[in-house]
Amino acid sequence: NAGVTQTPKFRVLKTGQSMTLLCAQDMNHEYMYWYRQDPGMGLRLIHYSVGEGTTAKGEVPDGYNVSRLKKQNFLLGLESAAPSQTSVYFCASSPWGSQYEQYFGPGTRLTVT
Amino acid sequence: SQQGEEDPQALSIQEGENATMNCSYKTSINNLQWYRQNSGRGLVHLILIRSNEREKHSGRLRVTLDTSKKSSSLLITASRAADTASYFCATDARVDMRFGAGTRLTVKP
Repeated sequence: NAGVTQTPKFRVLKTGQSMTLLCAQDMNHEYMYWYRQDPGMGLRLIHYSVGEGTTAKGEVPDGYNVSRLKKQNFLLGLESAAPSQTSVYFCASSPWGSQYEQYFGPGTRLTVT
Repeated sequence: SQQGEEDPQALSIQEGENATMNCSYKTSINNLQWYRQNSGRGLVHLILIRSNEREKHSGRLRVTLDTSKKSSSLLITASRAADTASYFCATDARVDMRFGAGTRLTVKP
């Protein structure tokens, strides 16, 4: 039981490049989330999903897209990376929404130059 | 926008001492959760307290919730060097949680 895994762990992009971050969970959780963490800002929600085939916007969705084609996977895409997207990205899952704890992945450190 | 705000931003204590961190929030909640984050790692859930609970314990952790003051506290008793981490409170917001900026705790051996 691996929990929540994220790929890749580190990435450096040039401005304008695109990439996809992969999150996978093996706990059969319905809800999945993508956050970004910046120094002194805590975690901010980018997008989330309440089940396979569904996605919704969080606090800071601009510049990001997501897909949840399979229940266990939640992909975060950056179509045209900007330096403001330099951050640490965390994926999380939970059984059923905010009344349950969230399980976090180890994070992806992204630098956009 | 962030819901919970932790206080203090940073706390440094000696091993064996107790550490208290506070969280204030603005709107009504159904539950409040505390998480720990070791440097360079993901967040780990510590404890969840529901709005109809006033106090909850888990090992060396004690969490209180005062809904009239919209505040919560996390007490770590008999701290250890391994407790060095950032601690976040999170409040529920419909389907997701809103996290504060965290308290950075340093426990000196």
